[in-house]
Amino acid sequence: AQSVTQLGSHVSVSEGALVLLRCNYSSSVPPYLFWYVQYPNQGLQLLLKYTSAATLVKGINGFEAEFKKSETSFHLTKPSAHMSDAAEYFCAVSRTGTASKLTFGTGTRLQVTL
Amino acid sequence: NAGVMQNPRHLVRRRGQEARLRCSPMKGHSHVYWYRQLPEEGLKFMVYLQKENIIDESGMPKERFSAEFPKEGPSILRIQQVVRGDSAAYFCASSQGEGKPQHFGDGTRLSIL
Repeated sequence: AQSVTQLGSHVSVSEGALVLLRCNYSSSVPPYLFWYVQYPNQGLQLLLKYTSAATLVKGINGFEAEFKKSETSFHLTKPSAHMSDAAEYFCAVSRTGTASKLTFGTGTRLQVTL
Repeated sequence: NAGVMQNPRHLVRRRGQEARLRCSPMKGHSHVYWYRQLPEEGLKFMVYLQKENIIDESGMPKERFSAEFPKEGPSILRIQQVVRGDSAAYFCASSQGEGKPQHFGDGTRLSIL
């Protein structure tokens, strides 16, 4: 079985500050890991994915995440927050070797203040 | 290059009616997934289909819910005899297969009166 835990349902940062959204996973097999962003009344947009290549993954909009097997973590970061980054962020895991379902965390709502 | 298309975007039904949600995957994608999102919650997997086959329906309620992905046409999620608890956003995603990311539609927001 696989699961994802996102610490902090709400995170608030100032514009220009570092963004850090936490994700820890549990998986009995090597995982694929994903970060998605959801804006109000829209679907999910893929930010980045880890599929067993480089452990530091760069995504769109300046986001990146680092896969740390020893810590079972896949935290999302961005050096400098922008107002347009305000949204809901979801971490997800799936099994390798199959085209199987995604298991999502409960999400972190990012607020960016002036 | 159209993305995943879902319709309708909003659907209102009275208790006891049927709801049909449609999903056309991205061009070249043969894997379709349905997820449900309740208010203030993450997405929960419902069913995974390939053309004419249900691969994994472990997240689908045993009663009233069914899904199909015919040889021709969109994937359909069908909810019979809807109840208030079925109110949610239903998202469809598609992918090219193993190791490939899932791309999501904008969802269908189902409201039950």
